[in-house]
Amino acid sequence: DVKVTQSSRYLVKRTGEKVFLECVQDMDHENMFWYRQDPGLGLRLIYFSYDVKMKEKGDIPEGYSVSREKKERFSLILESASTNQTSMYLCASRLNGRTFQNSGNTIYFGEGSWLTVV
Amino acid sequence: KQEVTQIPAALSVPEGENLVLNCSFTDSAIYNLQWFRQDPGKGLTSLLLIQSSQREQTSGRLNASLDKSSGRSTLYIAASQPGDSATYLCAGGGYSGAGSYQLTFGKGTKLSVIP
Repeated sequence: DVKVTQSSRYLVKRTGEKVFLECVQDMDHENMFWYRQDPGLGLRLIYFSYDVKMKEKGDIPEGYSVSREKKERFSLILESASTNQTSMYLCASRLNGRTFQNSGNTIYFGEGSWLTVV
Repeated sequence: KQEVTQIPAALSVPEGENLVLNCSFTDSAIYNLQWFRQDPGKGLTSLLLIQSSQREQTSGRLNASLDKSSGRSTLYIAASQPGDSATYLCAGGGYSGAGSYQLTFGKGTKLSVIP
């Protein structure tokens, strides 16, 4: 089974702090994603990465950056946390898009990280 | 840009009933469509993925269909159980002009199965 692990389930940070959210997958997936989920707004894509050292902005990248130095790890960084970044953050991974098999296209999610910025 | 809608936002059914959850999307050039389940406070669990070349996928009591021409997908749950209570999300996958693959999510249908 694919496992996507988010190291921190619950965090409380102060405004202005630098915050790191870590995500690790164990299935040699090439694609990794960071979403945030808010009531009434649904899931919104922050950043994604197609492979090591590659990254692309999603719909709401402002205030965030990412790092993908190793294939299995994708980190989300809040440079200076603000209260409007209080949310649930979800990491996801996918093998790649170069196969027509369902297994290669299925996206797998981690358990989520609840971040509160005070 | 792809838009995905799920109606109703909430649904309550008695145990044992068969039910259908609906998902509609605006861009028929969809590459695939995926259904997820989310329990309160948890991440998303993938249920079924349908490629654009497929019409349906089945897993146990779940059956998902895809009709690109009408912009609709349905998730059929047979013989519902209280353990099926959760929020169900659908997401349309596609490629942008720049070649980037992205999923667009609906806001989900919250299902309650009453014992």
